[in-house]
This record gives sequence, C-alpha cells and structure tokens, in this order.
Amino acid sequence: GENVEQHPSTLSVQEGDSAVIKCTYSDSASNYFPWYKQELGKRPQLIIDIRSNVGEKKDQRIAVTLNKTAKHFSLHITETQPEDSAVYFCAAVSGGYQKVTFGTGTKLQVIP
Amino acid sequence: DTAVSQTPKYLVTQMGNDKSIKCEQNLGHDTMYWYKQDSKKFLKIMFSYNNKELIINETVPNRFSPKSPDKAHLNLHINSLELGDSAVYFCASSRTREDQYFGPGTRLLVL
Repeated sequence: GENVEQHPSTLSVQEGDSAVIKCTYSDSASNYFPWYKQELGKRPQLIIDIRSNVGEKKDQRIAVTLNKTAKHFSLHITETQPEDSAVYFCAAVSGGYQKVTFGTGTKLQVIP
Repeated sequence: DTAVSQTPKYLVTQMGNDKSIKCEQNLGHDTMYWYKQDSKKFLKIMFSYNNKELIINETVPNRFSPKSPDKAHLNLHINSLELGDSAVYFCASSRTREDQYFGPGTRLLVL
C-alpha cells in the first residue's frame, strides 16, 4: 500500500519568513496530492492541491511543487503570518475511489 | 447549511459500552469516509463508502462497524469500547477524485 512520509514534524519560523514542508510517497499510481491545514481543535481543510500532470501550482502565498520521478512534493508558504500557525498534512491519493494516505503532519509555529 | 455534520461532538463513555457516531453530508457527494485521529494527530483512514457500498476497509478491529443507509449518511458503530479507542473521529465526503470535506469531528473519550 501507499506510504507517505512528511518532514519536518515541527517547524518554527519568524513572521515574514518562508516555510517549507516536504513529503515523499511510495505508490507510483498516486495521482492527486492535496494539502490540508488543521487549526487547533478544528477540522482539516484543503488549502491547495496538485495533480500528477502538473509540476507546480501557486495560490497567493502558498505554492506546491511535485516531482513525479522522485516521488516527492512540497508545500511552500511565503511571508508567513501568525494565522498560518497550524498542523499541515500532505496526502497522496490513488485509485478511482480515492484511497487517501495522509502524511504524519507538520506543526508550524509562526512567531510574531 | 453545514456541509458535513457529525453527532455527537463529544462522547464520554465507560469501557465496554457500545456507542454510535452519525454523519450526514448535504453536498451531493458520492463517497464518504471515516478517519481516526489519535493524540499524536495522525490521521488514519478507517472506511470508505461509495454510493452506499463499502470500498475501503482498512485494518480496523471488527468492533467497528460502519453503516451507510443512503449516500448522504455514514454512521459508525463501536462495540465493547476500549481505552485505545479514545481519539477524534472525523467523517468526510468527496466527489470522486476531488478533495475531501471533513466534518467537525467527534471527540471520544473512553474511561
């Protein structure tokens, strides 16, 4: 089955700096890679996603890159703000009915 | 007009009891899921249903039994609760091949 590794498990950055979270996956059949943000006590919510036919996607301060050959994908947050503090999960999705495997999560702390 | 709702939000119960968690989505999605999030925040898929049919059944004790009366509802029944079942249980739904919408979670504490 799919195995998704996520690093780092915790990340502290100064407000305004960039944050990068990296994930690797094992199943070459995975073709959809969403990223979720989970604030304390809340539900995970999608922030950005990328499909396997695309190498990079940007949405304002958030970008995701995908390297299919190396089987890794990354989340980049620029100009971090305190409200970016949360746990971030990557995921890899394969199969017609979306077998979703989540990474282990990264707790991001943005220090004002 | 909540997209994915779960009841109850909190559940505190004794070991050995049987309990149910209900989930409903009004998004018209075909696929629904149950996830378990433990104290270390790991999110693990438990079950997935597509149009009322079980399609993903991960290695979960058979004390856990999902039931989907229709494609808008997916309930989770747990028999003989154990201490290790304490976690947050999230229901989610999706259209095939799209992102998932999570419910607010049910915080289960087994004493």
